Amino acid sequence: GQNIDQPTEMTATEGAIVQINCTYQTSGFNGLFWYQQHAGEAPTFLSYNVLDGLEEKGRFSSFLSRSKGYSYLLLKELQMKDSASYLCAVRDLSDYKLSFGAGTTVTVRA
Amino acid sequence: KAGVTQTPRYLIKTRGQQVTLSCSPISGHRSVSWYQQTPGQGLQFLFEYFSETQRNKGNFPGRFSGRQFSNSRSEMNVSTLELGDSALYLCSTLGRKGNEKLFFGSGTQLSVL
Repeated sequence: GQNIDQPTEMTATEGAIVQINCTYQTSGFNGLFWYQQHAGEAPTFLSYNVLDGLEEKGRFSSFLSRSKGYSYLLLKELQMKDSASYLCAVRDLSDYKLSFGAGTTVTVRA
Repeated sequence: KAGVTQTPRYLIKTRGQQVTLSCSPISGHRSVSWYQQTPGQGLQFLFEYFSETQRNKGNFPGRFSGRQFSNSRSEMNVSTLELGDSALYLCSTLGRKGNEKLFFGSGTQLSVL
């Protein structure tokens, strides 16, 4: 199984950068996902990393280090609409099951 | 292309009752997974169905059960409801390639009084 840790809350100012860290322990790794979830809504896919390195997609980037069991999601040029919960999820190699962290609530202030 | 549809959106039940939730996946998606989401606990995996068979199961008591029909629609049932079952229940389907993102429905918010 997996043990996934991420901070509970983060606050940042509009236009700033925020980095959300995620550490995991797994018996078999087969990819790491980041999802965004606004209050009362379904999670939506942000990024997928299976190899080490940085994946950039517009204002959002995700990094993975498999040897360290570590990932981060970088949000640049923060906008008010980025206020949401960000979920880190790891897929297991043996059964393809996704395990989620508890989520990081990001609050963007004006 | 319609997304993942969950019904009902909101549900209020009392302890001891049972409840059935429904999920219709994106057309062509055969894998359906169910998650329970509570504040501070994150998304907890309940079970996954593929081609009408349960493929994976999380660590939930037997009061939680599910099934999948031939058209890939899935239902989950919770019997003998407890206060702690109050949560957002999310259904997700997997993209065709299997290594892609999950598509989530908007969920069913269950309140047990």
